[in-house]
Amino acid sequence: EDQVTQSPEALRLQEGESSSLNCSYTVSGLRGLFWYRQDPGKGPEFLFTLYSAGEEKEKERLKATLTKKESFLHITAPKPEDSATYLCAVQASGGKLQFGAGTQVVVTP
Amino acid sequence: NAGVTQTPKFQVLKTGQSMTLQCAQDMNHEYMSWYRQDPGMGLRLIHYSVGAGITDQGEVPNGYNVSRSTTEDFPLRLLSAAPSQTSVYFCASSYDGVSSDGYTFGSGTRLTVV
Repeated sequence: EDQVTQSPEALRLQEGESSSLNCSYTVSGLRGLFWYRQDPGKGPEFLFTLYSAGEEKEKERLKATLTKKESFLHITAPKPEDSATYLCAVQASGGKLQFGAGTQVVVTP
Repeated sequence: NAGVTQTPKFQVLKTGQSMTLQCAQDMNHEYMSWYRQDPGMGLRLIHYSVGAGITDQGEVPNGYNVSRSTTEDFPLRLLSAAPSQTSVYFCASSYDGVSSDGYTFGSGTRLTVV
């Protein structure tokens, strides 16, 4: 059965304090791994798609990497506006998206 | 370009009532999905569609029906509401399911069943 596990559940950072979020997965035939950001009361907002091990994507202070078993979302020198819940999802050969429970990130000034 | 539009934003139902959550997209996306989000459980797939006239069940389909008569619309029907269906519901769409643009989500419908 496809499974996606995110850790930690919550992360509290000081502004400028870099850290990483983990998304470990077991899936048959990975078609893609997605990272989303979700603000309170809003729908998830797409960040990245990764397709194969070794791939990396960057956007401002965020960098996503992928191995055969896990993905990391690195937040470099975060700002308070980076506070959000970050969701990881995998898509297997059947086409359905399977989401992890998310990591809630709070960045304090 | 409105993206994915969900209505209503909030709804309170009594147990046993039925209702339809609306979802429309104007991006000519083939893939559309419905998710529910509950605290600590992440997003769970209810039903999905890979094109007009084609629907399939997701992880938690019981108590819900869908249809896809047009590319643009993908309504979700609650047949007989139960308190366990209290949740936030999200509709999402994608061009082909694996495009580099990912899935676009609506802003959600917060449903309370009393």
